[in-house]
Amino acid sequence: DGGITQSPKYLFRKEGQNVTLSCEQNLNHDAMYWYRQDPGQGLRLIYYSQIVNDFQKGDIAEGYSVSREKKESFPLTVTSAQKNPTAFYLCASSKGLAGVTKNIQYFGAGTRLSVL
Amino acid sequence: GQSLEQPSEVTAVEGAIVQINCTYQTSGFYGLSWYQQHDGGAPTFLSYNALDGLEETGRFSSFLSRSDSYGYLLLQELQMKDSASYFCAVRDGGGKLIFGQGTELSVKP
Repeated sequence: DGGITQSPKYLFRKEGQNVTLSCEQNLNHDAMYWYRQDPGQGLRLIYYSQIVNDFQKGDIAEGYSVSREKKESFPLTVTSAQKNPTAFYLCASSKGLAGVTKNIQYFGAGTRLSVL
Repeated sequence: GQSLEQPSEVTAVEGAIVQINCTYQTSGFYGLSWYQQHDGGAPTFLSYNALDGLEETGRFSSFLSRSDSYGYLLLQELQMKDSASYFCAVRDGGGKLIFGQGTELSVKP
């Protein structure tokens, strides 16, 4: 079955630690995205990538880093510079520019990150 | 910049009809989308409007008025499983989706 896989489902970070969230897709989509969701809030864009080896900052990129070495993979690292990392992190993908594909993005099941 | 406004919560009874409104401000318009998210789950795409009018998909319909920068999601024959958060979203000129804050729908028996 095609889809997006995020791991782990739950993650705990210690003070000063970097942690990496995995996102893999087998939909052959060019574009991938990372969102942060806080309780009762909408989705805020952290980073996005429209092709391999290229990515752009979203609205809240500070304290995060990404890489896009393969089309299928778009890992997100939450660095120690992110002082309030506790949130629900969602990875998404789309065929290409949102407008071309009816703005459809496909989401993974998310990773819930907490600080110890 | 882009911004979207939608009610924070709506309550309705099983079998009823409910409308969730969304107003937006964008520099350029590239379509209005709706997503559903059950508690703790992944958002899933529901509908998309690029032109004025009503789009129907089963019990769900979505409406758009570009002149009013307004759209709504209409859910008919509500079921308990429809209890979820619903997000409207618009695309900006760079291809990114901007999401509203979400409307939490509670369906009561």
